[in-house]
Amino acid sequence: EVQLVESGGGLVKPGRSLRLSCTTSGFTFGDDAMHWFRQAPGKGLEWVGFIRSKAYDGTTEYAASVKGRFTISRDDSKSIAYLQMNSVKTEDTAVYYCRVRNQQTFVDYWGQGTLVTVSS
Amino acid sequence: QPVLTQPPSASASLGASVTLTCTLSSGYSNYSVDWYQQRPGKGPRFVMRVGTGGTVGSKGDGIPDRFSVLGSGLNRYLTIKSIQEEDESDYHCGADHGRGSKFVYVFGGGTKLTVL
Repeated sequence: EVQLVESGGGLVKPGRSLRLSCTTSGFTFGDDAMHWFRQAPGKGLEWVGFIRSKAYDGTTEYAASVKGRFTISRDDSKSIAYLQMNSVKTEDTAVYYCRVRNQQTFVDYWGQGTLVTVSS
Repeated sequence: QPVLTQPPSASASLGASVTLTCTLSSGYSNYSVDWYQQRPGKGPRFVMRVGTGGTVGSKGDGIPDRFSVLGSGLNRYLTIKSIQEEDESDYHCGADHGRGSKFVYVFGGGTKLTVL
């Protein structure tokens, strides 16, 4: 059974940093790209960025709204993806989700999310 | 990049059927779209992917046969038959666009389905 569990959310002041984790099981983590999404309170879903597998050099892409502030990384030995959030803004307040897609079946799996609140 | 448009709300009676629509912006008629169900207070749950030829790949885990999709022109449809109370959710459509450094994933605004 594929499982993704986000953690690390909480209350953070504007301008500070926070690191989220996505701990996974049930699939070969190293083979797959890992995406991060977010959903501000009462709003729709927004793509944050993703990291490719090592087979594709583990490179990353980001949404314009977070580029230069957020960094996605991965530890294939632990099957964990990370989202490092720097210089956070109040508009980064959201539930953050990680996602993996089975490239053969196109079936997605999501975590339950972790809430990040940016406030002074 | 494509813009995905969804009606903000829809409703259907218990046991009836409803079709939700996700409309791609002009020029993107060959794009596939992912449908997601999001129950109140929960994370998104993948339903299935749809292109112009219908379902792409497999249904999400545990998605009942009451859920089906169709693609036509710029529209991607999700039909739910024999609606149950548990189907009351927000339904989102999303699509990936571009390759390499130009990759983005975009969502529609979501449709809130109310079961009457």
